[in-house]
Amino acid sequence: DAKTTQPPSMDCAEGRAANLPCNHSTISGNEYVYWYRQIHSQGPQYIIHGLKNNETNEMASLIITEDRKSSTLILPHATLRDTAVYYCIAGYNFNKFYFGSGTKLNVKP
Amino acid sequence: EPEVTQTPSHQVTQMGQEVILRCVPISNHLYFYWYRQILGQKVEFLVSFYNNEISEKSEIFDDQFSVERPDGSNFTLKIRSTKLEDSAMYFCASRTSGVASEQYFGPGTRLTVT
Repeated sequence: DAKTTQPPSMDCAEGRAANLPCNHSTISGNEYVYWYRQIHSQGPQYIIHGLKNNETNEMASLIITEDRKSSTLILPHATLRDTAVYYCIAGYNFNKFYFGSGTKLNVKP
Repeated sequence: EPEVTQTPSHQVTQMGQEVILRCVPISNHLYFYWYRQILGQKVEFLVSFYNNEISEKSEIFDDQFSVERPDGSNFTLKIRSTKLEDSAMYFCASRTSGVASEQYFGPGTRLTVT
């Protein structure tokens, strides 16, 4: 599975867009990019995933660069409840996910 | 919306005792997983299970651990002789059979070994 690199923490003002980057420069052609978040010690919550194309759902948008070496998760209007650790996972082995350290997103009023 | 459930939410046990952690995956899901997270550390993969067999397991999942799907709805993780270092949050997850389908996680069981 490709190694991912994320900044350890980011701040965002409430109501503004939160843009969380992820570097996965060693990703191979059949590896997907998944985003999860974890609020306190709760179970990881699925957000979105994609392979090549940009994706959008009711929670977020995922922008994947054309060379697929990096991606950005966009929360369009961050709220205080979006404060969490966000994990970017790249892999093709659908049987297991390797979680890194993630990005701690602090949404501030 | 369907969700993965886990019981108990908190389990306290003495070192050397056996524990069984229980999970009810989402009903139409076919792949099941256990992960653990020691306090302050990363979420770690333990084991995946499909068609009544273990598909993959990590080096953490040694002979002290076992998994079972005793009926059509439950998925269990057994730790035969608990150690202090087994204290952690244990998360169950499940997914459908679709290619690259996402895993859905339960709320976790906090295991405390004293």
